[in-house]
Parts: sequence; structure tokens; C-alpha cells
Amino acid sequence: GPKVLQIPSHQIIDMGQMVTLNCDPVSNHLYFYWYKQILGQQMEFLVNFYNGKVMEKSKLFKDQFSVERPDGSYFTLKIQPTALEDSAVYFCASSHGTGSNTGQLYFGEGSKLTVL
Amino acid sequence: QQKVQQSPESLTVSEGAMASLNCTFSDGTSNNFRWYRQHSAKGLEVLVSIFSDGEKEEGRFTAHLNRANLHVSLHIREPQPSDSAVYLCAVCGGSNYKLTFGKGTLLTVTP
Repeated sequence: GPKVLQIPSHQIIDMGQMVTLNCDPVSNHLYFYWYKQILGQQMEFLVNFYNGKVMEKSKLFKDQFSVERPDGSYFTLKIQPTALEDSAVYFCASSHGTGSNTGQLYFGEGSKLTVL
Repeated sequence: QQKVQQSPESLTVSEGAMASLNCTFSDGTSNNFRWYRQHSAKGLEVLVSIFSDGEKEEGRFTAHLNRANLHVSLHIREPQPSDSAVYLCAVCGGSNYKLTFGKGTLLTVTP
């Protein structure tokens, strides 16, 4: 099936540093998402992005978070500065549309972020 | 705010026996329900999506939706050891792109 690729698979950084998580979505998809999963907890919606803009974000999407997809390249999640509570697995997803038929989300394998 | 709860937390079945997983949700206006599974350290694999009351089958996976009872279930026919994974229920509310996930059911299929 369609593949969403995430880079890196695992990153360890010191608190206060900046991190960028990269996502290569399915090629003809137009909608992009980030979800966060803390170990042992539910996966939670962070943000979705369409046509160069954030469409909706949750309260988990702190001011230190930003997303962009410059010139159709990677869809990125940047955290600057990082905090201990940002340690989690971040899943990228993409979909072609948002309807019942076109809104099927395809997920990547996740980027595990460890903040020390 | 949408709440999605799954039961049981874990389930062990023998190879070939039917496996049944449950999911309840709180928002009766939800219109889009999906079951994913997640093998250890892997991404999410979509299994079946259902949008109206009744049944939807995708291969060995069948989802049943009863919106009046705020309940959606997943039944796995003839499960194999390779089906051992965490199964996640996800519910969409008014905006189809915003999924609310349950905590998952850990399914173990023994030979």
C-alpha cells in the first residue's frame, strides 16, 4: 500500500535544543498530519496542514512547535526549544482528501524523540 | 471532547479462533470509524473503515458499527500468529481528518 516515510526513526537530544522531524508523505496526497504518542498512552492529534497552512491544531501543539512543507519537499515538525515532556513517538500521516473515501490516513512508522 | 475506549486491554486467542475487539465512543455525531493495527516498532496499518451502521468486511477483518449504542467492534476470522499486534480504534467527528484514538488492544495469537 501507500507508504509514508519518516526520518529519523530515533533521535536523542538535550533539553533546549532544536529538533526537526521529517516526513515524506504519499506522493499525490494533499493533507498532512502529525500525531504524538507518549509511551503507554493514546496516540493524540497534534496538527494538520493543507495548502501551506495549518488547518487545525490541538492544545498539545505548543508555541514551540511549527510545521511546514517548503516547495513540496518534506513535511516537517520542528520543536524549538525542546522540553522533557516532548519525549514521545511522533507519527506523520497523509491523506488525499478529507471525505469518507479520500480521507483515509496513511501513517509512517514514527520518529521516536528522546529529550534528556 | 470525544472519548474512545477499547476493551479488552489485552486478548489471547488460539490460532483459528475468532478474535473480537470492542470500542466505545462518546460523540454520537461521529461519522467515520477506523481500525488500525500496529506491530511492534512499526507504523499503523489500516484494516477497515466503516461509515454507516451495520457491517463492513475487508478480508478476514469485519467491523460492526452501532451508533445508537456508541459501539464499534472488530472481528478477526481465523487469526494467525502474525496477526499478533496492537489494534487501535480511531473515530472521526465532524472533521474527518481529526482522529481520536483508543489506547489499543494487545492481541496475541498462539499457535
